[in-house]
Amino acid sequence: DVKVTQSSRYLVKRTGEKVFLECVQDMDHENMFWYRQDPGLGLRLIYFSYDVKMKEKGDIPEGYSVSREKKERFSLILESASTNQTSMYLCASKQGAYGYTFGSGTRLTVV
Amino acid sequence: GIQVEQSPPDLILQEGANSTLRCNFSDSVNNLQWFHQNPWGQLINLFYIPSGTKQNGRLSATTVATERYSLLYISSSQTTDSGVYFCAVSLGAGNMLTFGGGTRLMVKP
Repeated sequence: DVKVTQSSRYLVKRTGEKVFLECVQDMDHENMFWYRQDPGLGLRLIYFSYDVKMKEKGDIPEGYSVSREKKERFSLILESASTNQTSMYLCASKQGAYGYTFGSGTRLTVV
Repeated sequence: GIQVEQSPPDLILQEGANSTLRCNFSDSVNNLQWFHQNPWGQLINLFYIPSGTKQNGRLSATTVATERYSLLYISSSQTTDSGVYFCAVSLGAGNMLTFGGGTRLMVKP
């Protein structure tokens, strides 16, 4: 089975800190995604990547950046964390038209 | 962009009951998927169903693309069915999935 691993399950950071969320997949998938999940809003796409060093903005990219230096790793960066970035962050990878595999999420709290 | 609305937002069932979850979307789509998020946060793909009907055990789904809605049926619900059910759609090749707000289901023993 494809595995998508997110480095932290829970994270608490201070306002203004630079935060890195790491995601690794083990099945050579080309497409990787970062979503944030908030109650009642479902999942909203922050960024996705379709190849190494390639990225596309999603619906809510403001305040975030991403890095994909290797095919298996996709990092989400909060340049200067703010309290409104407190959320659950989900990474996913995809092969083909619809084969999504999600990580188990990182619950980030910014204080 | 495309709008996706799910109903009901919350649902409480007694074990053994049946339920229907609905997903309405605002535009023609090439991709529609249903996901289940368990209480520990793990999202699992249930169905890829841009049109037609599919069944998998106690779960089945129907999408009527011309009328822009999809239904997820859960029969003989079990406590392990608890969690949040999401509908997600995209207009093109599937890269930019747009999720609905989800239906939170609690099945009581």
